[in-house]
Amino acid sequence: GQSLEQPSEVTAVEGAIVQINCTYQTSGFYGLSWYQQHDGGAPTFLSYNALDGLEETGRFSSFLSRSDSYGYLLLQELQMKDSASYFCAVTTDNQGGKLIFGQGTELSVKP
Amino acid sequence: DSGVTQTPKHLITATGQRVTLRCSPRSGDLSVYWYQQSLDQGLQFLIQYYNGEERAKGNILERFSAQQFPDLHSELNLSSLELGDSALYFCASSGRDYSYNEQFFGPGTRLTVL
Repeated sequence: GQSLEQPSEVTAVEGAIVQINCTYQTSGFYGLSWYQQHDGGAPTFLSYNALDGLEETGRFSSFLSRSDSYGYLLLQELQMKDSASYFCAVTTDNQGGKLIFGQGTELSVKP
Repeated sequence: DSGVTQTPKHLITATGQRVTLRCSPRSGDLSVYWYQQSLDQGLQFLIQYYNGEERAKGNILERFSAQQFPDLHSELNLSSLELGDSALYFCASSGRDYSYNEQFFGPGTRLTVL
């Protein structure tokens, strides 16, 4: 089967750093993506890792370890607008493939 | 704005009915994906089309079907609707410039089955 595990909720204060972990068990693996979704809105792409290591994009960074089937999303200098749900997702084939999503982590940023 | 459009935005219907959801992908994208998001199931992949052909199938019920037309827009048909089909249905697209790592999601159609 396919499964992705991530925490259901995380709370942090403005200006802090938060890490959202994701472990996966899938029948194929080509890359790990992260998407942000504000309440009721469309998911928006944050990052994609196909190789081991850290990718940095502004305040957000994403890490992948293929040998550990593990990745994380790091959000720095948290802002109130970062309050949203964050989903990790695995691409299981190289045919421009579908995404298998985790259940999502709801991040609440407090003042 | 992702460039992906979906209509209608909201749909309220009764059990047993049939509805059609429509999606226009971002200009230049050849791949269209349909996802269902419900409270208890999260975001579930339903089906993918690439340039008019079915490319991959997920947990899509037999009561559901989809197609992609020559102009690349796609429709998701849901029939014999049940209460449990109430959900947000998202369409996403990718593939412009042969880039598939990022999917662009439309605003979704919220389906309520009464």
